[in-house]
Amino acid sequence: DIQMTQSPSTLSASVGDRVTITCRASQSISSWLAWYQQKPGKAPKLLIYKASSLESGVPSRFSGSGSGTEFTLTISSLQPDDFATYYCQQYNSRWTFGQGTKVEIK
Amino acid sequence: QVTLKESGPVLVKPTETLTLTCTVSGFSLSNARMGVSWIRQPPGKALEWLAHIFSNDEKSYSTSLKSRLTISKDTSKSQVVLTMTNMDPVDTATYYCARSVRGVIPPYYYYMDVWGKGTTVTVSS
Repeated sequence: DIQMTQSPSTLSASVGDRVTITCRASQSISSWLAWYQQKPGKAPKLLIYKASSLESGVPSRFSGSGSGTEFTLTISSLQPDDFATYYCQQYNSRWTFGQGTKVEIK
Repeated sequence: QVTLKESGPVLVKPTETLTLTCTVSGFSLSNARMGVSWIRQPPGKALEWLAHIFSNDEKSYSTSLKSRLTISKDTSKSQVVLTMTNMDPVDTATYYCARSVRGVIPPYYYYMDVWGKGTTVTVSS
């Protein structure tokens, strides 16, 4: 099975900061990677699919990049609504989630 | 508007079988570009994918839980059912169903675009 590893596990940042989260796959997954945002008590929300495609309705401050085994999610200017936990997910071979990255207020 | 709603027992006893139902609206379970997955999340922990069913009734299961899971669908009722046998307290979690979609052009890979709100299941005697 493909394993997904995110870093960091927790990230402290301020409003307006540029934030980058990394996700690594245990083997190549081409560009079959999605990013989700989850707030406490809520279901995950799709942000990015196919590594860099922005889901409709998602603010353009979110962007994704990478291919093969290394991927990043970038928030260009952190907003108050962005404090949440972010998960990467591979869908190249079945489905696997990373362990999550919590973005908290500095 | 696409929606998914999970339903099932709030509390199950150890060794019992859990049956969860996902009722969908706004799309058809016979749509070739779509499928449905079940995912769970123990309290304070990460998401874990469990099972997936495609429009052609093909199924896929988590390697670690395959022996305990069965997924099925009733297209006429717009429902997807997940059963998990031999429940244990470590299976306490919020269980989500989610729609998966694929692109129009091959190769076909499915990602989850719309999620239900989840249903919380506690395993305790």
